[in-house]
Amino acid sequence: NAGVTQTPKFRILKIGQSMTLQCTQDMNHNYMYWYRQDPGMGLKLIYYSVGAGITDKGEVPNGYNVSRSTTEDFPLRLELAAPSQTSVYFCASSLLGPNSGNTIYFGEGSWLTVV
Amino acid sequence: RKEVEQDPGPFNVPEGATVAFNCTYSNSASQSFFWYRQDCRKEPKLLMSVYSSGNEDGRFTAQLNRASQYISLLIRDSKLSDSATYLCVVTNSNSGYALNFGKGTSLLVTP
Repeated sequence: NAGVTQTPKFRILKIGQSMTLQCTQDMNHNYMYWYRQDPGMGLKLIYYSVGAGITDKGEVPNGYNVSRSTTEDFPLRLELAAPSQTSVYFCASSLLGPNSGNTIYFGEGSWLTVV
Repeated sequence: RKEVEQDPGPFNVPEGATVAFNCTYSNSASQSFFWYRQDCRKEPKLLMSVYSSGNEDGRFTAQLNRASQYISLLIRDSKLSDSATYLCVVTNSNSGYALNFGKGTSLLVTP
């Protein structure tokens, strides 16, 4: 079972470059999320989506953009990469929202370094 | 005060030991509570939800004290495979769709 799949797993970017982290899920989940995890820190929500065509900002959205054209896909776009965006990025999905107590499934993570 | 606070550890315990992790949360309106497990360089995975009445899953017991805004995780008969970081996670209506993650408590079980 694929679950949540993220690509690429590792990437090095130069300052000012742009890139897209891809995320797809095959569980027909309505909710999708992008989190970042800095070393020794808790995960922080970047953007989330409650369904196709609907996205909203999380706690740390600056420097990122998302789209949700299909239920399965939720790409994260980094424009003008900065060293502060060096982090591990996790895509996640759930059938219902977090307050439902529903399990949230995470992808394996994308390690991004901006130099 | 951070929303979710955990003792970062590390906790080094021998196999077979019992170990307890604590977590406090600041928002009294918090609604749902979880423990996630994260292995080194891996994604978080749900270990267990935490219910007001307390709940047990094998060697793992979770407790919630709403009055003290405190969550605990007890691991009995520790195994080498329990070595990981344990993340306390809280949701509340103020955070929208964000899960509020603690920084995690690191556990190392030694032979």
